[in-house]
Amino acid sequence: QVQLQQSGAELAKPGSSVKISCKASGYTFTSYYISWIKQTTGQGLEYIGYINTGSGGTNYNEKFKGKATLTVDKSSSTAFMQLSSLTPDDSAVYYCVREFGVGYFDYWGQGVMVTVSS
Amino acid sequence: DVVLTQTPPTLSATIGQSVSISCRSSQSLLHSNGNTYLHWLLQRPGQSPQLLIYLVSRLESGVPNRFSGSGSGTDFTLKISGVEAEDLGVYYCVQGTHAPWTFGGGTKLELK
Repeated sequence: QVQLQQSGAELAKPGSSVKISCKASGYTFTSYYISWIKQTTGQGLEYIGYINTGSGGTNYNEKFKGKATLTVDKSSSTAFMQLSSLTPDDSAVYYCVREFGVGYFDYWGQGVMVTVSS
Repeated sequence: DVVLTQTPPTLSATIGQSVSISCRSSQSLLHSNGNTYLHWLLQRPGQSPQLLIYLVSRLESGVPNRFSGSGSGTDFTLKISGVEAEDLGVYYCVQGTHAPWTFGGGTKLELK
């Protein structure tokens, strides 16, 4: 069965960076994009962007350019998202999602809670 | 960015009751290729969201047929014909016609 297994919760200091992983299994990894979505109580769900797992090409929501960097390791079927220059506004749950394109999110990871605090 | 407005924000229902959720878009979601990329998600308490309906009205595999979607252009509706306890949670619409993809603010379905 399709699974997206994300890494564990992160506690980070302002100004630092974190790198979250998302390991896919149960399907051909390079046949689907992996997208990333931010969830907060205040802002709800926000689309960060996607990575083409075959080519490594990326597309970012303008709002998250410079904040998020998406990469992929095809050999381990794992996608990564690095968040840099963290502020308290980056505290959220981050999901990796298998995307078929056009907002069709059919499988979700369990989410990673990132807390930014001094 | 496209703004999706969901109403009501909270919905109280009894088991067996039929309910509807509205999702209105600030722009038409009809793509130039003729498709309308409006989908519905359900997030149960403590869980990740899951896909219920895609392309306005198509039921995702394994989703009970008491769920249905309709609409066009800027106005869309999710209907549950006979709420069951497992349907409780927050429903979101999401659009994939205009980049960046955006989500509605959510409708929380709770037991009356």
